Amino acid sequence: DSGVTQTPKHLITATGQRVTLRCSPRSGDLSVYWYQQSLDQGLQFLIQYYNGEERAKGNILERFSAQQFPDLHSELNLSSLELGDSALYFCASSVASIPAGELFFGEGSRLTVL
Amino acid sequence: GENVEQHPSTLSVQEGDSAVIKCTYSDSASNYFPWYKQELGKRPQLIIDIRSNVGEKKDQRIAVTLNKTAKHFSLHITETQPEDSAVYFCAASKVNSGYALNFGKGTSLLVTP
Repeated sequence: DSGVTQTPKHLITATGQRVTLRCSPRSGDLSVYWYQQSLDQGLQFLIQYYNGEERAKGNILERFSAQQFPDLHSELNLSSLELGDSALYFCASSVASIPAGELFFGEGSRLTVL
Repeated sequence: GENVEQHPSTLSVQEGDSAVIKCTYSDSASNYFPWYKQELGKRPQLIIDIRSNVGEKKDQRIAVTLNKTAKHFSLHITETQPEDSAVYFCAASKVNSGYALNFGKGTSLLVTP
């Protein structure tokens, strides 16, 4: 158990819909990272938050947004869903704002868009 | 941002043989290089990392080497065992920068008994 909690574990929805994925970092970790994992693309970095503020942005689509709340949990919002958005979405956390140490990954949220 | 290339995408070895996975990176300022292992259906977990001030690091059967001049680093697994079968991801990052870990596309390692 990494200490990072993600909900829901599985989600099935239709194209055009909107979903919210939730992540609670390890106790004491201030940084939250979101990654998308699809079969042929490996782990794609989406976005990082540190203590409530956006710290780094990767290949995140405009239809996607995220935020980190004062209690440090984070939400990833995916809207106008397309078939290609089906993937495993991982949240990870770390103590520092820079990934100079281990990222602790949650178990992931598997999104299926039909 | 950093671009990390990883090869091979799949690797099959017999139990007891060695396995080598190679990665290259684009940003010469990158100075932190971790390797993550992801077993089937599980989350990625850190297995070893190296910083740019060292050329090699070992942890039991696992070692990582770094060639800063050529901008590549490699994971070496000796005496492979079936439980080493997993997907391995390399990553690179620039400490004291703003961007997070950028991963390679992964290598699926299969160790056959």
